[in-house]
Amino acid sequence: KQEVTQIPAALSVPEGENLVLNCSFTDSAIYNLQWFRQDPGKGLTSLLLIQSSQREQTSGRLNASLDKSSGRSTLYIAASQPGDSATYLCAVSDDKIIFGKGTRLHILP
Amino acid sequence: EAGVVQSPRYKIIEKKQPVAFWCNPISGHNTLYWYLQNLGQGPELLIRYENEEAVDDSQLPKDRFSAERLKGVDSTLKIQPAELGDSAVYLCASSGQQAGTGELFFGEGSRLTVL
Repeated sequence: KQEVTQIPAALSVPEGENLVLNCSFTDSAIYNLQWFRQDPGKGLTSLLLIQSSQREQTSGRLNASLDKSSGRSTLYIAASQPGDSATYLCAVSDDKIIFGKGTRLHILP
Repeated sequence: EAGVVQSPRYKIIEKKQPVAFWCNPISGHNTLYWYLQNLGQGPELLIRYENEEAVDDSQLPKDRFSAERLKGVDSTLKIQPAELGDSAVYLCASSGQQAGTGELFFGEGSRLTVL
């Protein structure tokens, strides 16, 4: 059974810093991995989708990597801003789509 | 292009009452999901539709929950009767590809409070 873990559960960093969020999964036989952002009281917004054949995807200040063999993905956020404060969730897709519990990120002005 | 639309955004009911949530997916998306999200947790799948067929409802508590997607477009999730533990956010998502192979798009969610 696929399990997805996100560590840390919460993170606070000063504005301007680069940061890395982690996602690990137990079964490497996945179709893809997707990173989402969720603001309080809102739905999930798709940030990046990495197919199983890809190693990374980039969008603006965001870069997501995927290492299937080790069951890990990272989301790199460059030059963090207060507007980046949100919960970030990863989801892996095999026969089902399984979500982690998310990392609550707080960027300190 | 319109995103996934859900209604109502908020619903407060007393226990044992019925409640229904509606979802309209992105146009052309044949795959539709209903998820439940508790505070501080990731979404958990309730049911997945491919067109009008429920292809994965193994996590749907069928004694009180039901769902339908009659014409393969919009969908309704119903709870009857609601229990206190059903208080959560119900999220609808859609994808243009089958079986989790494509990008997932979510609506804003319907927040249910059962008193």
